[in-house]
Amino acid sequence: EVQLVESGGGLVQPGGSLRLSCAAAGLTVSSYEMNWVRQAPGKGLELVSYISRSGSTLNYADSVKGRFTISRDNAKNSLYLQMSGLRAEDTATYYCACGTWGPLDYWGQGALVTVSS
Amino acid sequence: EIVLTQSPGTLSLSPGERATLSCRASQSVSSSYLVWYQQKPGQAPRLLIYAASSRATGIPDRFSGSGSGTDFTLTISRLEPEDFAVYYCQQCGSSPRTFGQGTKLEI
Repeated sequence: EVQLVESGGGLVQPGGSLRLSCAAAGLTVSSYEMNWVRQAPGKGLELVSYISRSGSTLNYADSVKGRFTISRDNAKNSLYLQMSGLRAEDTATYYCACGTWGPLDYWGQGALVTVSS
Repeated sequence: EIVLTQSPGTLSLSPGERATLSCRASQSVSSSYLVWYQQKPGQAPRLLIYAASSRATGIPDRFSGSGSGTDFTLTISRLEPEDFAVYYCQQCGSSPRTFGQGTKLEI
């Protein structure tokens, strides 16, 4: 059974940093396109960041470019999102999601990030 | 960036009825890269349809997708109580991979 388990969410002050982790079981992260998708409270879905299977392509939404960094540890079979310069508008549930070629077949349960003073 | 516009924003129907949800793209999307997801309250999205018309594993055949170019449709032939949720389309053929704003299907 495939499981993606996010951790690292929480309350952070504006301008602060946070690192989200996504531990995968039942699949190998290096064999999948790995993504972070966020959803602000009561709002729709936004693809925040993507890393290709080879790891050679990293993409970011314009809203987070220069502030967020996606990475992957194949040995730990895990995906990460380092977030810095956090703003109130970054408040959202962050989902780890993956697929082999485009569609997101598997999703984690989400990690809530709240940016507030 | 390809903008996906879903309509209607909210669709009010009853169990047993047919639902038709629309997703319109600001520029042509290859059918291979148009996807639909279902999201229920408090849950992560679930993949329903990929390549515009192919059902994902375990998805009942009352769900069907169609369309090409800039106009795509998700149809639920006979609504079951568990189908009332929010539905999102996504294009994953060009970067950035964008989502529509969602259609809420309510009783």
